[in-house]
Amino acid sequence: GAVVSQHPSWVICKSGTSVKIECRSLDFQATTMFWYRQFPKQSLMLMATSNEGSKATYEQGVEKDKFLINHASLTLSTLTVTSAHPEDSSFYICSARERGARSEQFFGPGTRLTVL
Amino acid sequence: GEDVEQSLFLSVREGDSSVINCTYTDSSSTYLYWYKQEPGAGLQLLTYIFSNMDMKQDQRLTVLLNKKDKHLSLRIADTQTGDSAIYFCADYPVSSYKLIFGSGTRLLVRP
Repeated sequence: GAVVSQHPSWVICKSGTSVKIECRSLDFQATTMFWYRQFPKQSLMLMATSNEGSKATYEQGVEKDKFLINHASLTLSTLTVTSAHPEDSSFYICSARERGARSEQFFGPGTRLTVL
Repeated sequence: GEDVEQSLFLSVREGDSSVINCTYTDSSSTYLYWYKQEPGAGLQLLTYIFSNMDMKQDQRLTVLLNKKDKHLSLRIADTQTGDSAIYFCADYPVSSYKLIFGSGTRLLVRP
């Protein structure tokens, strides 16, 4: 149980285009989903927290107009990187927390984005 | 602010025990977690400990928590080559209700 999937697992796009990454909780309802960014050989940096049916809360320094987050259902959250640039290339990982759970988050396998 | 620190690298021989250390700063921690990340993959929850516990054992894994010193350790007994990965400790303080990750410890297990 408690499986989180991400799609796609990797994507290459041209500079200036937008890319959408999906995060799904497969066997539980996730009232809260988190989006992280990880640079090579570094730790995870929390970008934003999204609660189902409400606007995402972004961490300081994260541009909400560039990283659009939608959490339209209890099993799906999406991250759209708008007008991507090479510096947006990174590993993006989502996690999901089940309704009523104390704190435990289940992580997706990550999406590697490369912007040319 | 909240901070979690780990040593960057650990190398052990197969069959030996590995001990990965972590320190944190927030005194409002509730749970502390250990995650494993293999290359190109997401994070796998290994174990966790509640802040009012001193020790937790789960098969080959032993977690020790010294709340006074804000020190957490993960011991892996009989380390195998398949244990080679990056290990992250994470704090979950009530001051933020967010997971605060350490920088990760890269464990290399030599045959």
